[in-house]
Amino acid sequence: AQSVTQLDSQVPVFEEAPVELRCNYSSSVSVYLFWYVQYPNQGLQLLLKYLSGSTLVKGINGFEAEFNKSQTSFHLRKPSVHISDTAEYFCAVTLMNRDDKIIFGKGTRLHILP
Amino acid sequence: GAGVSQSPSNKVTEKGKDVELRCDPISGHTALYWYRQSLGQGLEFLIYFQGNSAPDKSGLPSDRFSAERTGGSVSTLTIQRTQQEDSAVYLCASSLATGNTEAFFGQGTRLTVV
Repeated sequence: AQSVTQLDSQVPVFEEAPVELRCNYSSSVSVYLFWYVQYPNQGLQLLLKYLSGSTLVKGINGFEAEFNKSQTSFHLRKPSVHISDTAEYFCAVTLMNRDDKIIFGKGTRLHILP
Repeated sequence: GAGVSQSPSNKVTEKGKDVELRCDPISGHTALYWYRQSLGQGLEFLIYFQGNSAPDKSGLPSDRFSAERTGGSVSTLTIQRTQQEDSAVYLCASSLATGNTEAFFGQGTRLTVV
């Protein structure tokens, strides 16, 4: 069965500094990968997704992620964070070309320091 | 409706009572998911419905938990003989199909068992 590991439960970053949120997955077959974001007191929304093709995918609010098959990783990055990026970020995986559930990681809480 | 609707938004119940949580997915979405979100545990998969296929119940934590989806639309998650450890936010999501499509989340039901 597929699984997702987000090693960092919390990441503090100074405003305007770069950030990387780590995500590793495990699966015996090919997968689709997603990052969702949950802003304070709001529901989850899709940030970006990797389906196929270019391994670098760009999402909303200046975020991007890179799929690395050999390292089974899908790390999320932003070159310069803003206070409005304060949120919880969830990495997720689902099996490619199948009707299957979406499995989420435990989430990483991004704290932006002034 | 415009989005995924969940009711009630908050529910306080006494230990041992049964509760029903409702989810109205986006019209036309064939896939419906239930997750449980508690502090430090991320999004725990509970159950997944896809069209007329048998639901994937592999995430239900005990036989006190059950869910149904009537007419391929509205879904109800039932927790019998609630325990304090059932306290969490229960999230419902729906999508047009599975795999490469975005899941849209409701605002959740916050369940507190006292």
